[in-house]
Amino acid sequence: DIQMTQSPSSLSASVGDRVTITCRASQSINTYLNWFQQKPGRAPELLIYAASSLHSGVPSRFSGSGSGTDFTLSISTLQPEDFATYYCQQSFTTPYTFGQGTKLEIK
Amino acid sequence: QVQLQESGPGPVKPSQTLSLTCTVSGGSISSGGYYWTWIRQHPGKGLEWIGYIYYSGITYYNPSLKSRVIISVDTSKNQFSLKLTSVTVADTAVYYCAREARAFGGHTVKNYFDYWGQGTLVTVSS
Repeated sequence: DIQMTQSPSSLSASVGDRVTITCRASQSINTYLNWFQQKPGRAPELLIYAASSLHSGVPSRFSGSGSGTDFTLSISTLQPEDFATYYCQQSFTTPYTFGQGTKLEIK
Repeated sequence: QVQLQESGPGPVKPSQTLSLTCTVSGGSISSGGYYWTWIRQHPGKGLEWIGYIYYSGITYYNPSLKSRVIISVDTSKNQFSLKLTSVTVADTAVYYCAREARAFGGHTVKNYFDYWGQGTLVTVSS
């Protein structure tokens, strides 16, 4: 299975900050990388697909980049509703696998 | 707007079979290009992909669960279902159904989970 490793595991930031989350795959996955946001008690929601494509309805402050094994999710100006847990997921090959998550907390 | 909703009988005892159904509304499960998926999340943990089914009945399962999983589809009811046999307490999790969309363009495909059910907690306990 392809292992997905996110860093950091947790992150404290303030409203208005710019934050970046990193995801590394254990082998090359081209750009088959998706990002999800999950809030407590809710299902994950798709933010970014194919490494850099913004899903419909997602604010433009979210952006993704990378290819091969290294990827980043950036949030340009944190809003109160952005404090949540973020997961990367590889869709290159089955079994699809997820990162362990990055919990973004209010400083 | 596509919506997915999980349903199931509730707690399960060890060694029994976990059964869940996902009802799809706002779109036909028989539409091509979509793979109907089960994903689970252990309490306070990350996400684990269980497997998918295409409307034609083609399935693919996570090898780690393959010997215990059956995913089936009922296109007449616009539903798909999950059965997980011989459960243990380690199978206690929130179970989500989701839609995997696949968009083909040239030599590439973009595939992602674009719609999810709200999730249902299944507790395995004696």
